[in-house]
Amino acid sequence: EPEVTQTPSHQVTQMGQEVILRCVPISNHLYFYWYRQILGQKVEFLVSFYNNEISEKSEIFDDQFSVERPDGSNFTLKIRSTKLEDSAMYFCASRDHTGAGALEQYFGPGTRLTVT
Amino acid sequence: GQSLEQPSEVTAVEGAIVQINCTYQTSGFYGLSWYQQHDGGAPTFLSYNALDGLEETGRFSSFLSRSDSYGYLLLQELQMKDSASYFCAVRAGYGQNFVFGPGTRLSVLP
Repeated sequence: EPEVTQTPSHQVTQMGQEVILRCVPISNHLYFYWYRQILGQKVEFLVSFYNNEISEKSEIFDDQFSVERPDGSNFTLKIRSTKLEDSAMYFCASRDHTGAGALEQYFGPGTRLTVT
Repeated sequence: GQSLEQPSEVTAVEGAIVQINCTYQTSGFYGLSWYQQHDGGAPTFLSYNALDGLEETGRFSSFLSRSDSYGYLLLQELQMKDSASYFCAVRAGYGQNFVFGPGTRLSVLP
């Protein structure tokens, strides 16, 4: 069964450093998302991406964040200068664009980011 | 603003039926989804309602009333493996903005 993959599973970085979180969405999906979840809290929408551009972003997704689809398979989230409060689990998700599959977002296993 | 409300915790015994409610206030509404998340795992899709009424998928059913800005997830014949957090999520914008609720932690007891 196709699945969304994310690397690394755990990233530890120092405050002020840049990190890039990587995702490989399901191959025929066209909508891509990044979410974050602080431990024990709800899932928070960061950004959605379609047709090689951001379609919507939340208030959390400020100038420190950027997304890119550098090739036909990868989807990345970059945090330019990490802060302690960026420590969270980051989930990538993808979605089909037609039929019943268009209703369901498939989530990757997540990257746990720890900023020290 | 955008807000969703769910009960924080629900406890039930194996074999029972449990209902998890979700009320929402969002700037737009294109549908209500439900996701299950086990501890340390990723959210997994359970159901989606765009129109009023009941959708049934095996032991799980989901209901939506757009006029009441309300929905619920119904879990029947509870099993121990159903112990998890359950999130409702509203697609609040055509531009793919999904707002998640705070989650309901379900504990199934033997």
